[in-house]
Amino acid sequence: NFMLTQPHSVSESPGKTVTISCTGSSGSIASNYVQWYQQRPGSAPTTVIYEDNQRPSGVPDRFSGSIDSSSNSASLTISGLKTEDEADYYCQSFDSSIWVFGGGTKLTVL
Amino acid sequence: QVQVQESGPGLVKPSETLSLTCSVSGGSISSSSYYWGWIRQPPGKGLEWIGSIYYSGSTYYNPSLKSRVTISVDTSKNQFSLKLSSVTAADTAVYYCARHSRVASFDYWGQGTLVTVSS
Repeated sequence: NFMLTQPHSVSESPGKTVTISCTGSSGSIASNYVQWYQQRPGSAPTTVIYEDNQRPSGVPDRFSGSIDSSSNSASLTISGLKTEDEADYYCQSFDSSIWVFGGGTKLTVL
Repeated sequence: QVQVQESGPGLVKPSETLSLTCSVSGGSISSSSYYWGWIRQPPGKGLEWIGSIYYSGSTYYNPSLKSRVTISVDTSKNQFSLKLSSVTAADTAVYYCARHSRVASFDYWGQGTLVTVSS
């Protein structure tokens, strides 16, 4: 079955840039869109990137998404980190009528 | 603005069937553009897609749960439902319902409801 693998945790200082990876287990991650969700404790996830690199209205342009076909991975990059960005981040995609979430990455901003 | 809201028992006994309903407001569940899904999150763990349904009744299930899951839709009530049979403590989780497109994002989520499996 198709799986998405993320690092368990990342940390970075305020004002810096961090990148979270999401690697597909098989096939081509570029074949279907990748979404990224932010989840703060006690809240439902919200979309920060959809269709690989699109930002919903209200999401600051500090958030960006990309696809690297050579490594079969997607990335979420957050620049100018703020303490409010501290949260769990999940990638998500679709393959053969199955919707899949990555295991999640805890971002610590310290 | 579409809203989705989960409802159902917060406590289920082991071996019994977990039943939840998701009510949709601010939009029609019969929209041809969208699917309606269930996702769960065990305490302290990540998100797991359980399954989804299209308004026509076509269903899609996580292979790891397929033998125990049934999702149905009631277009007259603008609701869809989840049944998970033979539950164990491992099924204890926050259960979310959400709207999503076929190839893109889950864009509207419920607040989630905690279901505990315990005798």
